[in-house]
Amino acid sequence: LAKTTQPISMDSYEGQEVNITCSHNNIATNDYITWYQQFPSQGPRFIIQGYKTKVTNEVASLFIPADRKSSTLSLPRVSLSDTAVYYCLVALLNNNDMRFGAGTRLTVKP
Amino acid sequence: KAGVTQTPRYLIKTRGQQVTLSCSPISGHRSVSWYQQTPGQGLQFLFEYFSETQRNKGNFPGRFSGRQFSNSRSEMNVSTLELGDSALYLCASSSIAGGIADTQYFGPGTRLTVL
Repeated sequence: LAKTTQPISMDSYEGQEVNITCSHNNIATNDYITWYQQFPSQGPRFIIQGYKTKVTNEVASLFIPADRKSSTLSLPRVSLSDTAVYYCLVALLNNNDMRFGAGTRLTVKP
Repeated sequence: KAGVTQTPRYLIKTRGQQVTLSCSPISGHRSVSWYQQTPGQGLQFLFEYFSETQRNKGNFPGRFSGRQFSNSRSEMNVSTLELGDSALYLCASSSIAGGIADTQYFGPGTRLTVL
């Protein structure tokens, strides 16, 4: 079964680009990868989703290499308000199962 | 549009009791999923309902059950509570079936403490 692994924590400074990588072996070509952001005492909030190559929206980009063994969430020019926990989620469509990573605690410093 | 609402927000129970949590999805959303979040295990998928039918189920014991009503509201029940059931229970709704591949909108969660 697919196991989803992320770094436990990352530090950055305001204005920098932050890249958070999620490792997920044994995923099928049509399995989706979704990233969520969670602040304390709130439910996770959708950031971006994709299943191949590159997806970009107004807040982030998602890069998925050809081997699909990992994916990278890219946050351009982070601010203090981006301090949160970021979760990678792999939706295994063939198994009708979902696997969250343990979350990466991003701390943005001034 | 109002977001996903969950009631109650906080709950304290004792071992052996049972508990029912409620979730109201975003208006028009027909898929509701439930998750358990704990510091040790992180976010774990419990089950997903669509049109009053359970479509997907995670790896949890039968003490965890749920249902969905015709108005898409959903309830989750945990019977014979154990200390390890203490967690934040999150509900998420999405607009189409197969919510696991659709954008999910999470509620604030119900924090359950089992004493």
